[in-house]
Amino acid sequence: DVKVTQSSRYLVKRTGEKVFLECVQDMDHENMFWYRQDPGLGLRLIYFSYDVKMKEKGDIPEGYSVSREKKERFSLILESASTNQTSMYLCASSKGTDFYGYTFGSGTRLTVV
Amino acid sequence: DQQVKQNSPSLSVQEGRISILNCDYTNSMFDYFLWYKKYPAEGPTFLISISSIKDKNEDGRFTVFLNKSAKHLSLHIVPSQPGDSAVYFCAASAYNQGGKLIFGQGTELSVKP
Repeated sequence: DVKVTQSSRYLVKRTGEKVFLECVQDMDHENMFWYRQDPGLGLRLIYFSYDVKMKEKGDIPEGYSVSREKKERFSLILESASTNQTSMYLCASSKGTDFYGYTFGSGTRLTVV
Repeated sequence: DQQVKQNSPSLSVQEGRISILNCDYTNSMFDYFLWYKKYPAEGPTFLISISSIKDKNEDGRFTVFLNKSAKHLSLHIVPSQPGDSAVYFCAASAYNQGGKLIFGQGTELSVKP
């Protein structure tokens, strides 16, 4: 069964901490995405990547960065966590332009205190 | 600017009746539309999609209708079942956006026995 695995289900971090959210897929997908889900705002795209070492800004990249050193791994980095980054973070992957081929991870619920 | 809008945050339906979830979009370049379903503590999963060259697509109890002139699509679930209770996200993509999906805010469907 194909999988997108997010390393943590729940995280609590302090304001100002550097936070790493890890995502690994085992489907050899080219594309990987980071979304955040907030009530009333739906899923908003933070960053995405079409290939190793490539990254593109999504709709809300401020305060975030990403790293993709290997095809299967896409990391989201909060350089200095703030309380407004408390959210559910969802990683997804897809192959090429396979629009219905998005596979999501189970999400990481991040709380910044 | 919300390019994909789901104006109803919640919907409650009786088991066995029809559920109709609505979605509006503003970008006329969108040519592919999808619905995703999300249970609590899980990532969204693909439900059904439709290309802009069609106005209807059916899969079992689920039917998606597309009205391009009105920039509106809807998801019909007939008959509704308690297991359909979840958050439903509408998503859209444009061919020239390389597989990047834009999601709506989501509608939480509750199907009561």
